[in-house]
Amino acid sequence: EVQLVESGGGLVQPGRSLKLSCAASGFTFDDYAMHWVRQAPGKGLEWVSGISWNSGIIDYADSVKGRFTFSRDNAKNSLYLQMNSLRTEDTALYYCVKVRQQLVFVGAFDIWGQGTMVTVSS
Amino acid sequence: DIQMTQSPSSLSASVGDRVTIACRASQGIGSYLAWYQQKPGKVPKLLIYAASTLQSGVPPRFSGSGFGTDFTLTISSLQPEDVATYYCQKYNSVPPWTFGQGTKVEIK
Repeated sequence: EVQLVESGGGLVQPGRSLKLSCAASGFTFDDYAMHWVRQAPGKGLEWVSGISWNSGIIDYADSVKGRFTFSRDNAKNSLYLQMNSLRTEDTALYYCVKVRQQLVFVGAFDIWGQGTMVTVSS
Repeated sequence: DIQMTQSPSSLSASVGDRVTIACRASQGIGSYLAWYQQKPGKVPKLLIYAASTLQSGVPPRFSGSGFGTDFTLTISSLQPEDVATYYCQKYNSVPPWTFGQGTKVEIK
């Protein structure tokens, strides 16, 4: 079964850091680009960041550029999102998502994790 | 950045009705458009990619069309289990890969 499991969310004060992880299983992980999408409470979906299958391309939404760092470890079938200088507006459910097509950086997102909640509040 | 605008923001229709949701891109994106369904409290699910290709396992009452800047998602016969918020998303080569604001579909 294809599965993505996020972890690492929690309550954090503004200005602090948090690191999210995503464990992938059930598919050839190093053939696929992966992305993070977030959803603030009661709001819509926002693309956050993406990483190519070999980490050769990494891109970020302007809202997180310079504060978030996306990385992957293909040996461990894992993704990591290091979030620094967190702001209250970063409060959201963070989804790890898989691109449908092999060996492309972006495409439709066919597999979504259950999400991990990040709350930034003093 | 390319903006994705959905209309309407919400709709209420009867079981069996034909429902159409529009998505407009501020610039042409070819066929690089996907539609997602998010049921209340659930994870988004891919319905359609490449503007009109049905994802495996999605009921055929769902269909998509369009190219360039104007796209539609159609539910040919609305079912109670279709109550959800629907999002379009562009995924052409230019970031960011923006989602529309969502269309909430309810049963009348």
